[in-house]
Amino acid sequence: SYELTQPPSVSVSPGHTARITCSGDALPKKYAYWYQQKPGQAPKLIIYEDKKRPSGIPERFSGSSSGTVATLTISGAQVDDEGDYYCYSTDSSGKEEVFGGGTKLTV
Amino acid sequence: QVQLVQSGSELKKPGASVKVSCKASGYSFTSSAINWVRQVPGQGLEWMGWINTDTGTPTYARDFTGRFVFSMDTSVSTAYLQISSLEVDDTATYYCAKVWSGYYEDKTPYYYGLDVWGQGTTVTVSS
Repeated sequence: SYELTQPPSVSVSPGHTARITCSGDALPKKYAYWYQQKPGQAPKLIIYEDKKRPSGIPERFSGSSSGTVATLTISGAQVDDEGDYYCYSTDSSGKEEVFGGGTKLTV
Repeated sequence: QVQLVQSGSELKKPGASVKVSCKASGYSFTSSAINWVRQVPGQGLEWMGWINTDTGTPTYARDFTGRFVFSMDTSVSTAYLQISSLEVDDTATYYCAKVWSGYYEDKTPYYYGLDVWGQGTTVTVSS
């Protein structure tokens, strides 16, 4: 089955830049999506189609993708950005959709 | 506003069944597919599959075939997840989420992800 690999945890000081990676063999052909989940809350879409931000998502959140790695970048991370971040994509056939294992961000 | 409201927490015994509801409001229910996502306590998100709310056709992820059934009732704009023969390992929070999708002017489809989520329904299976 298809897998997306994320680091279990990332730590960053307030005001600095956090980068969370997501590795998957199909990412050169398939978009990555990123979700933020805070404790006790439902996930929230923060990046779609590799790098686009839904309305209302702060500009400090950005996405990129190169080869088999998609990256979520949080510039000037804030304490309020703490939570779990999940990437999401599909396998090369488009039939198997998966979430990455999640990354716990500590600011 | 657009929202999905799920049914309340459930406590079930092993072997029983449970049906979780997801009521949509603020948009045309049949215009956006509904996905289901599981989260076991302390663990990550698992994509379970989705239901085409226009046709009623369900699609299940590999690990969620057999005991899991997606259904819907368009008259009340509600999607359902039914789990039969519950096991202790089914203890989790189950989320429904609406797909953000559509068509460009040239009829090319686009998919922008899961933009609206229900609040989650906790199902606890314990003897």
